[in-house]
Amino acid sequence: AQKVTQTQTSISVMEKTTVTMDCVYETQDSSYFLFWYKQTASGEIVFLIRQDSYKKENATVGHYSLNFQKPKSSIGLIITATQIEDSAVYFCAMRENNAGAKLTFGGGTRLTVRP
Amino acid sequence: EAGVTQSPRYAVLQEGQAVSFWCDPISGHDTLYWYQQPRDQGPQLLVYFRDEAVIDNSQLPSDRFSAVRPKGTNSTLKIQSAKQGDTATYLCASSLHWGTGQDTQYFGPGTRLLVL
Repeated sequence: AQKVTQTQTSISVMEKTTVTMDCVYETQDSSYFLFWYKQTASGEIVFLIRQDSYKKENATVGHYSLNFQKPKSSIGLIITATQIEDSAVYFCAMRENNAGAKLTFGGGTRLTVRP
Repeated sequence: EAGVTQSPRYAVLQEGQAVSFWCDPISGHDTLYWYQQPRDQGPQLLVYFRDEAVIDNSQLPSDRFSAVRPKGTNSTLKIQSAKQGDTATYLCASSLHWGTGQDTQYFGPGTRLLVL
């Protein structure tokens, strides 16, 4: 069964620094898809970035990038030049190719960016 | 382009009452999902549809929860006889069909349900 674990429950950083959030996953499927979402204080869940398991290059979108370490079943989210508005809860999620469209989410990491 | 819309945004019920949540997906998205997010947890899939067909409702508490998408566009999730344990945010999401490479799920704003 698929499982996604985020061990960091909360992180606090200074503005304009770089932060990395960890995520490890378990799957028996050889093909899978990994996603990061952000949930703001209003409750809105926003898609940030995805990594398909067959792609070797780490995905990058704006000031978000991924550190995909397939042998370690790890997909870290890196945010560079953090801003106050990056403060939110960040969720890692996985979809297995043989499990249809089901997304399994981790428990989330709360990021606080301090001025 | 409009995102996923949901209504109502908030609902407060007494135990035993019924409630319905409504979702309008992104135009052109054939797959629609309902998630339950308890406080301080990640979203958990309840049910999803491709067009009007239920693909997986194995996580839906079938005795009190039901979901329909009759014309393959809007969807309604209903809770009969709500319990305090149903207190959570109910999220709707939509996507293009999985396996297309463009199957990222996009979420609506959610409905916050409090059952007293």
